[in-house]
Amino acid sequence: EPEVTQTPSHQVTQMGQEVILRCVPISNHLYFYWYRQILGQKVEFLVSFYNNEISEKSEIFDDQFSVERPDGSNFTLKIRSTKLEDSAMYFCASSGSGTVFSYEQYFGPGTRLTVT
Amino acid sequence: LAKTTQPISMDSYEGQEVNITCSHNNIATNDYITWYQQFPSQGPRFIIQGYKTKVTNEVASLFIPADRKSSTLSLPRVSLSDTAVYYCLVGEITGTASKLTFGTGTRLQVTL
Repeated sequence: EPEVTQTPSHQVTQMGQEVILRCVPISNHLYFYWYRQILGQKVEFLVSFYNNEISEKSEIFDDQFSVERPDGSNFTLKIRSTKLEDSAMYFCASSGSGTVFSYEQYFGPGTRLTVT
Repeated sequence: LAKTTQPISMDSYEGQEVNITCSHNNIATNDYITWYQQFPSQGPRFIIQGYKTKVTNEVASLFIPADRKSSTLSLPRVSLSDTAVYYCLVGEITGTASKLTFGTGTRLQVTL
C-alpha cells in the first residue's frame, strides 16, 4: 500500500537555526498538507498546497514558514528561524484526485522537531 | 466547520463493541462527517466518512440519524490494538484541498 514518508524522524536544532522537514507524498496525489501537533495537544493545520502554490494557510503559518515542492516527488516545510515553541511533531499529508469529495488524507509518520 | 463534542475518554474490554458518539448540533447541509484514528506518536488515519444513514467498511460503521445532529462510530469487537484517540470531524467538502480541523478527540483504552 502506498504511503507518505517523512525525513528525518527526529530533528534537534538550536533556537534561531533554519530547519527543513522533508516529505514524499503518495505519487499520484495532487494536494499536500502540513500539520503539527505539540505534545499533548491537538493536531493543528498549517498549510495546504496545490498546483505549486499555497491553497490555504493558518495563523500559525507566518513568515517564518515556507513550503516548496522542489521536484516531482518531494514536499518540504522550512522554518527559517526556529523558536522554542516550534517544538512539535510535524505531519505531512497528501490526498489525491480520487478523494476530492472526501476528507481522506494520508498522513506520514511525522518528524519530531525539538528546538533547544 | 461545525463544532463537535465527543467524550474525552472511554474504556472497553477486548472483544466488546465500542460506540463513540459525536454531537454536531450546527451541522450544515453540505457538511460531511469524518472519523480519524491516531495512535501515539503516529499521524492520524482516516477511518470512515458519511453524510446520512449508515456507512460500513472493513474497519467500522458510522451511524447518522435523520437530523444529522450527531453521529456514532461503532467499532466491532475491539482489540488491544484499537487503543487510540478517535476524532470526529465535520465540514464541507469543497472539491479542493480540504483543511482538517481536529478537536481533542476521544481517547479509547482497551484492556484485557
